[in-house]
Amino acid sequence: DSGVTQTPKHLITATGQRVTLRCSPRSGDLSVYWYQQSLDQGLQFLIQYYNGEERAKGNILERFSAQQFPDLHSELNLSSLELGDSALYFCASSVEGRGVDEQFFGPGTRLTVL
Amino acid sequence: AQKVTQAQTEISVVEKEDVTLDCVYETRDTTYYLFWYKQPPSGELVFLIRRNSFDEQNEISGRYSWNFQKSTSSFNFTITASQVVDSAVYFCASRGRMDTGRRALTFGSGTRLQVQP
Repeated sequence: DSGVTQTPKHLITATGQRVTLRCSPRSGDLSVYWYQQSLDQGLQFLIQYYNGEERAKGNILERFSAQQFPDLHSELNLSSLELGDSALYFCASSVEGRGVDEQFFGPGTRLTVL
Repeated sequence: AQKVTQAQTEISVVEKEDVTLDCVYETRDTTYYLFWYKQPPSGELVFLIRRNSFDEQNEISGRYSWNFQKSTSSFNFTITASQVVDSAVYFCASRGRMDTGRRALTFGSGTRLQVQP
């Protein structure tokens, strides 16, 4: 158990819908990363938040957005869903601020768009 | 930009065999970090090891060992006396220095290891 929690574990929805994925980082970790794992794209970085502020963006679509709240949990919002958005979405957290810190991953949310 | 290549898509071995998973990385950073993660059938990503670019010492942890060679830009992972529980997808990843903004992990495509009893 990495200490990172993600809800829900599974999500099935239809094209055109909007969903919200939730992530709670490990206690004390200020940084949250979102990654997408799909069959065709592999594991790719979407976006990072640090202590409530967006810090880095990767291959995140404009239909996707995220935020980190004062209690440090983060939400990834996916809208106008397409079949190709079906994937495993991971959240990872790290302490940062003390050199390189390992990222610890949550169990993931498996999104299926029908 | 960072790039990680895992040329082996799938490897199948029989229990107790040794197996080496290859990882080749590309980076223009002089300081960088390399990682290995394990993804068992249950789906979670489990951190295994981090290696700094300025530390070329090989590392051994139980049945696992890692060989980092800057001269060939490789960071290979060997499992000695493999066990069925080692069956998983293994990902190699890289990351830049904290102050460069390149903090996110760049993953290879993964190697699926199947250990047959």
